[in-house]
Amino acid sequence: SQTIHQWPATLVQPVGSPLSLECTVEGTSNPNLYWYRQAAGRGLQLLFYSVGIGQISSEVPQNLSASRPQDRQFILSSKKLLLSDSGFYLCACLRTRSGNTIYFGEGSWLTVV
Amino acid sequence: KNEVEQSPQNLTAQEGEFITINCSYSVGISALHWLQQHPGGGIVSLFMLSSGKKKHGRLIATINIQEKHSSLHITASHPRDSAVYICAVRSNTGNQFYFGTGTSLTVIP
Repeated sequence: SQTIHQWPATLVQPVGSPLSLECTVEGTSNPNLYWYRQAAGRGLQLLFYSVGIGQISSEVPQNLSASRPQDRQFILSSKKLLLSDSGFYLCACLRTRSGNTIYFGEGSWLTVV
Repeated sequence: KNEVEQSPQNLTAQEGEFITINCSYSVGISALHWLQQHPGGGIVSLFMLSSGKKKHGRLIATINIQEKHSSLHITASHPRDSAVYICAVRSNTGNQFYFGTGTSLTVIP
């Protein structure tokens, strides 16, 4: 069955420190993978999406980056966090073989202090 | 203007009431999703629609492709239905999803 894991669940990081959020998918191959951010009281904002290994599309200019080193692994990174990076980050997977079903990770709460 | 608009933004209902949440979109889509987000942040997919109507338990989702509109109905609402409901559409021109800002539902016992 399809599962998607995301970690860490919560983290508090100082301004200027690096960030790494990891997302892995099980039960499917060659999925479309997405990173979203949800700021308080706002909708989901697409940050990056990937249709395959090494293929990253960025939707919003920012100090974040994404990488897809393996088919089922998607990583969100930053070299130097800003206060405005605080928010709730969600990894999502689109499984096209079963009719475009979208799955979400558990989410990561990031607080930059 | 957002590609996906939801209404209402907030909704409070008495237990047992019939609830409707509306979603309108302005882009061409290949599918529309209704999602439920719990207070802890986790999101689950309720429905995926490309036409017509789907029913799952007390939840019903409809879509009118010509009018670019979808509704989510909850019959006999219960306090455990309290959550944020999000409408999302997948663009038919690429891999992007567009999300509404969500409807926060509170069902009072």
